[in-house]
Amino acid sequence: GEDVEQSLFLSVREGDSSVINCTYTDSSSTYLYWYKQEPGAGLQLLTYIFSNMDMKQDQRLTVLLNKKDKHLSLRIADTQTGDSAIYFCAESTRDSGTYKYIFGTGTRLKVLA
Amino acid sequence: GAVVSQHPSRVICKSGTSVKIECRSLDFQATTMFWYRQFPKQSLMLMATSNEGSKATYEQGVEKDKFLINHASLTLSTLTVTSAHPEDSSFYICSAKTGGHEQYFGPGTRLTVT
Repeated sequence: GEDVEQSLFLSVREGDSSVINCTYTDSSSTYLYWYKQEPGAGLQLLTYIFSNMDMKQDQRLTVLLNKKDKHLSLRIADTQTGDSAIYFCAESTRDSGTYKYIFGTGTRLKVLA
Repeated sequence: GAVVSQHPSRVICKSGTSVKIECRSLDFQATTMFWYRQFPKQSLMLMATSNEGSKATYEQGVEKDKFLINHASLTLSTLTVTSAHPEDSSFYICSAKTGGHEQYFGPGTRLTVT
């Protein structure tokens, strides 16, 4: 079945860039997403990219998509302590007008002051 | 815009009782709502998809008689955990979407069954 995988942990120093990686298996993905989850909270949509795009930049966030390798990454520039959270990538596919979503395992980002 | 609320945020109930969790889209009409379950340090597991006015579609392995879902209006869906047991303790998250691809998540409900 479809699968979305991420590394479990990432630790960076404040001010450095963070790069969180994600691989997926479903080549028919329509959109790919990055969500942030802080402790005890729901998921906050950070950004998404359409599957025919290679890159999307939104302020400190840069999303890169390599569709050939089925690889998605999220780069956070000038990482701050407030960026410490779990980051989930997700993909959506569309089947008969219905969207289906698959979430990755989540990457716990720890930002060291 | 696109705010989703859940109530309650935390609930503790005794084993054998039922508990209802509400999910509301506050500033948009949600044609579809999703219910997820999240175990500690794990990803989200989709439990069911509900469309307003129709029966929910449950994922494989999710007991529909145990997890009752009602999507009564375009802004409200409820999840009732019936005859709760300690193994039902978890973090339950709902999300809502309109006709587009983006889904908006609620803040989650922490259920503890004693």
